[in-house]
Amino acid sequence: KAGVTQTPRYLIKTRGQQVTLSCSPISGHRSVSWYQQTPGQGLQFLFEYFSETQRNKGNFPGRFSGRQFSNSRSEMNVSTLELGDSALYLCASSQRRSSGYTFGSGTRLTVV
Amino acid sequence: QQQVKQSPQSLIVQKGGISIINCAYENTAFDYFPWYQQFPGKGPALLIAIRPDVSEKKEGRFTISFNKSAKQFSLHIMDSQPGDSATYFCAATAQGGSEKLVFGKGTKLTVNP
Repeated sequence: KAGVTQTPRYLIKTRGQQVTLSCSPISGHRSVSWYQQTPGQGLQFLFEYFSETQRNKGNFPGRFSGRQFSNSRSEMNVSTLELGDSALYLCASSQRRSSGYTFGSGTRLTVV
Repeated sequence: QQQVKQSPQSLIVQKGGISIINCAYENTAFDYFPWYQQFPGKGPALLIAIRPDVSEKKEGRFTISFNKSAKQFSLHIMDSQPGDSATYFCAATAQGGSEKLVFGKGTKLTVNP
């Protein structure tokens, strides 16, 4: 079956712009989480959605937001981009909240 | 208390050797400890996971050892192969709680032929 699909794979944006990243989870998976990966900070949790509700949020500014749709697809949005937002953004899905997560290949965001 | 400390940062082993990566945690609420393998340009892939009610879990050449009293767990890769060269992350979470994965900083493993 198809894995977790993230689009786009690569993105270049200018400081101050906003960006929306998309994640299609594995069919039947209702839990979607987002992580930011950078060389300096490693993998950091952004937020988790389950059945369209945000269940948990990481320690990121309010410029980072997300949502989940009724078909479990999820989007995350970053407004007023800063150079430090350059990172690999990873989406992970799970069938239910207490089972293992499968990650997508990520969206590489570069802010110039 | 939310940190997971992973060592070493990098590891070089010869083909056929044993690779050992260690992790330590503080939060006693953690009850699920997965290991992920990541190749360049790819997302992390679940390798093997353990819960604290067992002290060891083996899947093929990969073994997790878990020491609950010391709050430490480790990944052993037996008969390491060049194809195992990747970055390995340990993680921990409290299932049924916040569900977020807390990751170690990663270990870059290089297996020389």
